[in-house]
Amino acid sequence: TQLLEQSPQFLSIQEGENLTVYCNSSSVFSSLQWYRQEPGEGPVLLVTVVTGGEVKKLKRLTFQFGDARKDSSLHITAAQTGDTGLYLCAGGRSGSARQLTFGSGTQLTVLP
Amino acid sequence: DTAVSQTPKYLVTQMGNDKSIKCEQNLGHDTMYWYKQDSKKFLKIMFSYNNKELIINETVPNRFSPKSPDKAHLNLHINSLELGDSAVYFCASSPQGGGYNEQFFGPGTRLTVL
Repeated sequence: TQLLEQSPQFLSIQEGENLTVYCNSSSVFSSLQWYRQEPGEGPVLLVTVVTGGEVKKLKRLTFQFGDARKDSSLHITAAQTGDTGLYLCAGGRSGSARQLTFGSGTQLTVLP
Repeated sequence: DTAVSQTPKYLVTQMGNDKSIKCEQNLGHDTMYWYKQDSKKFLKIMFSYNNKELIINETVPNRFSPKSPDKAHLNLHINSLELGDSAVYFCASSPQGGGYNEQFFGPGTRLTVL
């Protein structure tokens, strides 16, 4: 059973366009992380959100944690080819032996 | 460079063989992990060690045996390799205490079983 569902699974857009990726669950998480993975490399942490309704910005990337801490979104403004990669959300629970649950992933391709 | 490193990067072997993957982190972290990423890019935790002690052991065949000689190293030994073991294996580490268990990943080992 997939606890964290991401949508869309694949997304191909033109450079300069905006996009939103979603991460949804029926479970509550104490924290939500977003990672980006490029081909041939391991995932790299982008951000951690911990408070319901929290919004964090990282240059052109905006991350939001849902009010009920069950979902999150990643919005990219004016996408660039360098944004291409696999985006993974990961939920953490307090006192859960330091284990993260990873989402199903969104493969983003930004075309020049 | 401070990082999580894994060797080898690529591993191609025959079914039935035994192989090992090594992982080292010089970040001073207390917790290390092994993940398996399948062809659909789903990242699933296999094991977690905290200060050389096993704390997470997901439903993984007992052909997989992790070993942590010290808190900077977590190696993965696989016996009697099967076709379904083909995947990319990632080692990761995270600091203990405070924080939210942010993971620092190695570059991955692509295992192909023929």
